[in-house]
Amino acid sequence: YGLTQPPSVSVAPGQTARVTCGGSNVATKTVHWYQQKPGQAPVLVVYDEFDRPPGIPERFSGSSSGNTATLTISSVEAGDEADYYCQIWDRGRDLYVFGSGTTVTVL
Amino acid sequence: QVQLRESGPRLVKPSETLSLTCNVAGDSMMDYYWNWVRQSAGTGLEWIGRIYSSGTTNYNPSLKGRVTMSAETWKNQFSLTLTSLTAADTGTYYCARTRGLTDGHFYYDMDVWGKGTTVIVSS
Repeated sequence: YGLTQPPSVSVAPGQTARVTCGGSNVATKTVHWYQQKPGQAPVLVVYDEFDRPPGIPERFSGSSSGNTATLTISSVEAGDEADYYCQIWDRGRDLYVFGSGTTVTVL
Repeated sequence: QVQLRESGPRLVKPSETLSLTCNVAGDSMMDYYWNWVRQSAGTGLEWIGRIYSSGTTNYNPSLKGRVTMSAETWKNQFSLTLTSLTAADTGTYYCARTRGLTDGHFYYDMDVWGKGTTVIVSS
């Protein structure tokens, strides 16, 4: 099972960035999203498709339909510039799968 | 607040064995899952495996039997052993926690991560 993400997304400050994660029937799986800034460890920004951990701004939201899960970042700020990874737990094979990662660039 | 810290050698020779330890501070290890994730330079995240506090393990089959994990809950630490190293094993290794069954809900995400430790495989 593979998760496909676009290599890059560019967005102007204040606009909305959408990062997609494609996989067969991914909407039936529980998707999590991580933000990773250069030289830092990943940080969980969305879990269980649309929930946010404490301290994560409401600007970060998740959704899923059919074969695509989406991380939406509203009112993008310069500090949101990072790599974003989706992740699922593949119950059939008992293993985690990460998406290929998307670099979000704030213009 | 739970914190994780990886430790181990920075430089390892090809064909040798890597041993890393993750120290858990600020909480018990009991009833959680503990993961290892790695990242080669400029590439994405790769899950290596996980261990439950009871000792049950799951490994990524892509590593073809080279991985072993153990948990020393009385020391609040868990370990990774990776054998038959090649240059392809060079990268940053992270440990991370999965909450599992907590407050009646099963969480599969990795909510806490260590800062990572760099491993270079070179002669």
